[in-house]
Amino acid sequence: EVQLVQSGAEVKKPGESLKISCKGSGYSFTSYWIGWVRQMPGKGLEWMGIIYPGDSDTRYSPSFQGQVTISADKSINTAYLQWSSLKASDTAMYYCARLPCGGDCYSQERYFDYWGQGTLVTVSS
Amino acid sequence: DIQMTQSPSSLSASVGDTVTITCRASQSISSYLNWYQQKPGKAPKLLIYAASSLQSGVPSRFSGSGSGTDFTLTISSLQPEDFATYYCQQSYSTPGTFGQGTKLEIK
Repeated sequence: EVQLVQSGAEVKKPGESLKISCKGSGYSFTSYWIGWVRQMPGKGLEWMGIIYPGDSDTRYSPSFQGQVTISADKSINTAYLQWSSLKASDTAMYYCARLPCGGDCYSQERYFDYWGQGTLVTVSS
Repeated sequence: DIQMTQSPSSLSASVGDTVTITCRASQSISSYLNWYQQKPGKAPKLLIYAASSLQSGVPSRFSGSGSGTDFTLTISSLQPEDFATYYCQQSYSTPGTFGQGTKLEIK
């Protein structure tokens, strides 16, 4: 059974750093892209970026490029989303999700078929 | 980025009704359109991919159609568990932008 298990809720202050995680199991972690999606309180879904754990190839949305870093450690089947300096506007639920494709991922495959349970990040002074 | 616009933003319906949600892309995306369902406090769930392909395990009362810029999600014979928020997402290009969501409520 494919599972993505995310790290727990975080409460941070503005300016602090943070790294949240997403551990995959039940499939070949290095063979499928994983993405991150933001959902601000009461708002819709925003595509942040994706990473291919096999070679760490990463693609970012222009809206998030430079604001976050997506990485993966294939030795422990875990993807990460990190911030170097949090802002109050980073308060949101963050989901990781798998794409059902690896390597050359064609347009018809670039959807999210399995999702993590979400990590709530609260940034407040 | 490709902009995705859903209509309506909210919708009231009764159990047993058939409802249609529309998604429009700011440019042609061929058939690279996906639909998700999200219930309060839960992660989104994939319903339809590539405009009309039903994800495994999803009831057949859900169907999708369209190509180019205009797409629809139809839910036939609404069940109580279908009341949720629905999102479209294009996968034609990166970033894979989502629509703003359509909240389906019980009348």
